[in-house]
Amino acid sequence: GQNIDQPTEMTATEGAIVQINCTYQTSGFNGLFWYQQHAGEAPTFLSYNVLDGLEEKGRFSSFLSRSKGYSYLLLKELQMKDSASYLCAVRGRYGQNFVFGPGTRLSVLP
Amino acid sequence: NAGVTQTPKFRVLKTGQSMTLLCAQDMNHEYMYWYRQDPGMGLRLIHYSVGEGTTAKGEVPDGYNVSRLKKQNFLLGLESAAPSQTSVYFCASSSAGTTGAETQYFGPGTRLLVL
Repeated sequence: GQNIDQPTEMTATEGAIVQINCTYQTSGFNGLFWYQQHAGEAPTFLSYNVLDGLEEKGRFSSFLSRSKGYSYLLLKELQMKDSASYLCAVRGRYGQNFVFGPGTRLSVLP
Repeated sequence: NAGVTQTPKFRVLKTGQSMTLLCAQDMNHEYMYWYRQDPGMGLRLIHYSVGEGTTAKGEVPDGYNVSRLKKQNFLLGLESAAPSQTSVYFCASSSAGTTGAETQYFGPGTRLLVL
């Protein structure tokens, strides 16, 4: 079976750092993706990890540990516009299927 | 480039009615997907296609049919709508690629209400 877990909601303050965790159990693994989704809009791509370690992209970083089935998305210098849902998705062994977690709704407060 | 477009944006159906959702992409992507998104459940894959003329079932295919007669279009059909199909439907596409970093690009979504 396939299972991806994320916290449902998180709250943080403008200017702070927040870490959103994702744990997964899947029958195959061919990469982990993070997407951002603002309310009423489509998901948009943030980051991709396929090897263990940290990938940094400006204010956003994503970490992967394949042995632990664990990833996190780190958002630095939070801005109000970062209030959104963050979706963790694992691509299966054959590359066509993506399995999404339930998403974490982040609220950034002034 | 328009990217991925979906029509209609919003639709209200009565139980038992049928409809077709259209997805179009202009990025020459091989793979196309249909998802539904419900509160607290994330995106769930309905059907997908790895090329023109081919389709496959995803996680929640019951009650839906799809067709991909042209590479750029992917149609999702509801033959007899049920209230449980009230949801937001997203279409996505991605390239086949070889790097592994080929992400999905999503359309703006179709909001469907079945009464």
